[in-house]
Order: sequence, then C-alpha cells, then structure tokens
Amino acid sequence: QKEVEQDPGPLSVPEGAIVSLNCTYSNSAFQYFMWYRQYSRKGPELLMYTYSSGNKEDGRFTAQVDKSSKYISLFIRDSQPSDSATYLCAMSALGGNNRLAFGKGNQVVVIP
Amino acid sequence: NAGVTQTPKFQVLKTGQSMTLQCAQDMNHNSMYWYRQDPGMGLRLIYYSASEGTTDKGEVPNGYNVSRLNKREFSLRLESAAPSQTSVYFCASRPGQGADTQYFGPGTRLTVL
Repeated sequence: QKEVEQDPGPLSVPEGAIVSLNCTYSNSAFQYFMWYRQYSRKGPELLMYTYSSGNKEDGRFTAQVDKSSKYISLFIRDSQPSDSATYLCAMSALGGNNRLAFGKGNQVVVIP
Repeated sequence: NAGVTQTPKFQVLKTGQSMTLQCAQDMNHNSMYWYRQDPGMGLRLIYYSASEGTTDKGEVPNGYNVSRLNKREFSLRLESAAPSQTSVYFCASRPGQGADTQYFGPGTRLTVL
C-alpha cells in the first residue's frame, strides 16, 4: 500500500462549480498536511498548509484534515478557469526526517 | 527575492554524457531537495540536504550525486546519463525546524537520447 493515495483524475467541472479533491494516507504519524498547485510546465506552488486535524480556509479554498479517517480534502468554491491545474497533496510526520510524502496529483480542468 | 532558481531550464543529452543541474535559493533556508517528476509516478525524492554539509539519499538515488556547495546552493550531477533519467527535475527548499513546507523551483526538463 502506498503511503499516500490520490486519484489522478482528470476532473472537469464548469466554471462556478465546487471542486472537491481528496487524498488518503496510511501513516498515522503524519501531522503536517499540504496542498500544492502545479500549472502546466511549472513547479509546484504551496496552496494550503494545515497542522494536525481541522479545517483551514483561505479565500475560495478550504482544506480539511480528518486524522481519524486518514483523509484530507481540498475544496475550491466558485471555480475559475485559472484554477485549471494539477493539485498535489503532501504530508509529513513530526520530525519526519524532512521528507514529504506526495500524492500523484489530480488534474483539474475548469470549463468556461 | 527570486526564491528557488534552477539552471538550465531545458537540456538534451546523449546516453553516457554527464551534466550538473544547478539550484540556488535566496530565502536562507536550511534544507534543500532534488525531485524528479514523471507521468503517472508523481514526485519522487532523489537526494536531500537537511543542512549545510549534509546530504542523504531519497527514494531514487541511483545514477545521481549531489553537492551542497553552501547554504544557498545544491547541485545534482548525472555522471553517465541514461534514457531512464529523462524527466523533469525540481529543486525545493524548506525553512527548517517547525515548518514542513517546501518551496519549489521552476524545474529542468531533461531528455536523454
């Protein structure tokens, strides 16, 4: 079983829809949870960062962490064509030797 | 403030040739990383440097070497390139203790013929 599982998609939605992305993981030691956005032919950029369980909101983006289920989610409200990108989840353990475990990424296309 | 920079942006090599990918960060970060990204495989860690003067193997180190030249710079060397090393290479840096986020460079697209 891979440490982090993420359905690669692709996911196509109409402009204005809510985008829902998720990852599951197997390592109960993970404490830090991140979402990265990667535009085509660019490097990943940090989008959301959460420590431990709970929700975090930043504008149209909401990240949720459910450690009891080993499940994290990213929601994008009022999606825009500029949100079309690949979204990667990443996580690490406290003192986890500096290493992040990444999902494979989920390609999202927002259709105008 | 340029963040993480990588050179070159593109490179084509023949099998057996060598090259060094350069990475520099101007954020005074302690840790630096090299990843490769392949379709369907996601990001895979090649080597990392937790602090200046230290380097450690990641998930896929075979065929690569690294040098942490100073706090700013972390280079990746391919001594004898193989077609299996055709990939997009990303360098990343991390602030240090208490912050597990990593910041990525723009990538180097390498093709080995």
